[in-house]
Amino acid sequence: EAQVTQNPRYLITVTGKKLTVTCSQNMNHEYMSWYRQDPGLGLRQIYYSMNVEVTDKGDVPEGYKVSRKEKRNFPLILESPSPNQTSLYFCASSFGLAGGPGSYNEQFFGPGTRLTVL
Amino acid sequence: LAKTTQPISMDSYEGQEVNITCSHNNIATNDYITWYQQFPSQGPRFIIQGYKTKVTNEVASLFIPADRKSSTLSLPRVSLSDTAVYYCLVGGGSYIPTFGRGTSLIVHP
Repeated sequence: EAQVTQNPRYLITVTGKKLTVTCSQNMNHEYMSWYRQDPGLGLRQIYYSMNVEVTDKGDVPEGYKVSRKEKRNFPLILESPSPNQTSLYFCASSFGLAGGPGSYNEQFFGPGTRLTVL
Repeated sequence: LAKTTQPISMDSYEGQEVNITCSHNNIATNDYITWYQQFPSQGPRFIIQGYKTKVTNEVASLFIPADRKSSTLSLPRVSLSDTAVYYCLVGGGSYIPTFGRGTSLIVHP
């Protein structure tokens, strides 16, 4: 089954304790992205990756790191989490073509990771 | 980047047709218009995409006028399960489209 998986689905941690949220897709997609969603703010992009070893900042990258060593995986790293990073996080992927079917417009989303930082 | 404007919320009743309009006055020539649906605590799901005129699939229809400065997502005969947030995105030509706050649709019995 074509899908984007995220782990863990739920995480409660404390300020300053490094954590990693994994994201994996089995569709051979080139483009992958991380979003956070907060009440009233919609989906905001954190980082994205156009391909292996190619990553770039989204709208809200502060406090986050990513890496893209393999095409299928795109982990999100919080080196020193803070309470303002408490949020619902989504990973997404697409073929990464420009425009039309199969493009960046057609992103497949993971189930989400609900993170609470105390 | 093409900015989109859509209503924050809408209400409807079961069995009615719902039309959600999105304005995107500065859409670029190679931009596409895409709509997503998101249920609470789930990731957004692609619904439909179009460039011009009308596109229809098993879920919805998308109407795009000739000037492409707006688009309308049409959901026929909605049910309670259509209660969700609907996002209008413009882009995909030369840049990656971004999500806004979307339109929260509530369908009442």
